[in-house]
Amino acid sequence: DAGVTQSPTHLIKTRGQQVTLRCSPKSGHDTVSWYQQALGQGPQFIFQYYEEEERQRGNFPDRFSGHQFPNYSSELNVNALWLGDSALYLCASSAGNDQPQHFGDGTRLSIL
Amino acid sequence: SQELEQSPQSLIVQEGKNLTINCTSSKTLYGLYWYKQKYGEGLIFLMMLQKGGEEKSHEKITAKLDEKKQQSSLHITASQPSHAGIYLCGADISSGGSNYKLTFGKGTLLTVNP
Repeated sequence: DAGVTQSPTHLIKTRGQQVTLRCSPKSGHDTVSWYQQALGQGPQFIFQYYEEEERQRGNFPDRFSGHQFPNYSSELNVNALWLGDSALYLCASSAGNDQPQHFGDGTRLSIL
Repeated sequence: SQELEQSPQSLIVQEGKNLTINCTSSKTLYGLYWYKQKYGEGLIFLMMLQKGGEEKSHEKITAKLDEKKQQSSLHITASQPSHAGIYLCGADISSGGSNYKLTFGKGTLLTVNP
């Protein structure tokens, strides 16, 4: 039973570029959340997708957008990258509101 | 100030010793989750606590939720080098129990010396 899988594992971009990160949820999970984790900090909630719609959003600018597909997989898009976007981006999936979120290994994004 | 405060920030213990990590919320806790993270990797789910007074154990790790104090503790008995890592508490403190959005503490870095 595969857990949450994310791709790519590492990514290097330059300022101003755009990036797309991908996430496949754990089997049986229909809800996907994205988090940003800066070095030495806890994860910060970006947004959550359920039934292909953004259900809740954290305090992140519109440069951060996402999508959920009919097979429950999800993408995180970030436009106009700047140095402060360098972080570990984590995807988490869950099977319902009363179930824990399970995390993938993350995508390490570095902005030069 | 941080909505979820973890203490201590870091901890170094000798193998075999017991230890406790605390997580205190400035807001009402609707659910409290403990995760473990190896540096630069994903979070591994440990335990979920949803009711005041609830206590759960898995192997040598026990977590308790004190709803009145808006606090949770994670206790490790007879620590082993495999327990080393970053322990994070996450909680639903703004979604009213929906578990939509988890807020995390900054984590506690645990080192276990053999």
